[in-house]
Amino acid sequence: DVKVTQSSRYLVKRTGEKVFLECVQDMDHENMFWYRQDPGLGLRLIYFSYDVKMKEKGDIPEGYSVSREKKERFSLILESASTNQTSMYLCASSDWNQPQHFGDGTRLSIL
Amino acid sequence: EDQVTQSPEALRLQEGESSSLNCSYTVSGLRGLFWYRQDPGKGPEFLFTLYSAGEEKEKERLKATLTKKESFLHITAPKPEDSATYLCAVQAPIQGAQKLVFGQGTRLTINP
Repeated sequence: DVKVTQSSRYLVKRTGEKVFLECVQDMDHENMFWYRQDPGLGLRLIYFSYDVKMKEKGDIPEGYSVSREKKERFSLILESASTNQTSMYLCASSDWNQPQHFGDGTRLSIL
Repeated sequence: EDQVTQSPEALRLQEGESSSLNCSYTVSGLRGLFWYRQDPGKGPEFLFTLYSAGEEKEKERLKATLTKKESFLHITAPKPEDSATYLCAVQAPIQGAQKLVFGQGTRLTINP
């Protein structure tokens, strides 16, 4: 079975902090994705990567950056956390033209 | 613009009471339609992929169907453990990869 592991289930940070969310997949997938999920807005794509060191903006990249130094690891970075970034963050991975498989999410609160 | 609309937002059924969830979509060049199940506090779990109108997929009490404008998730004789939020997503091409556009989900509750 595909396993996508997100480093923290719950995280509380302060406004202005730099925040790192980590995601690791064990299936040698080419593609990795970061989403946020908010009530009434559904899942929205923040960034994705289709290869090591490659990254592309999704629908809502403002305030975020990403890093993919190794194929199995994809990091989401909040450069200067703000309260409107309080959300559930979901990481996913897939091979080309295959279903995306998700981790269990990180519930991030920015105070 | 690619768009997915799911209805109803919430559905409450008695155990054994069959029903259907709807997913309407507009996308420029459908590459696939996906159904996921999401339990509270968990990430979405993949259920089905449908690629072309007329296609059907089944898994236990669930059956997904696809037309050119919508998909249905039919639930036959549901049990309380089928309670979850069901998400529909369409796949559209994006540079170097493929993007999923999600609907807002249908929250299904099955009462014993």
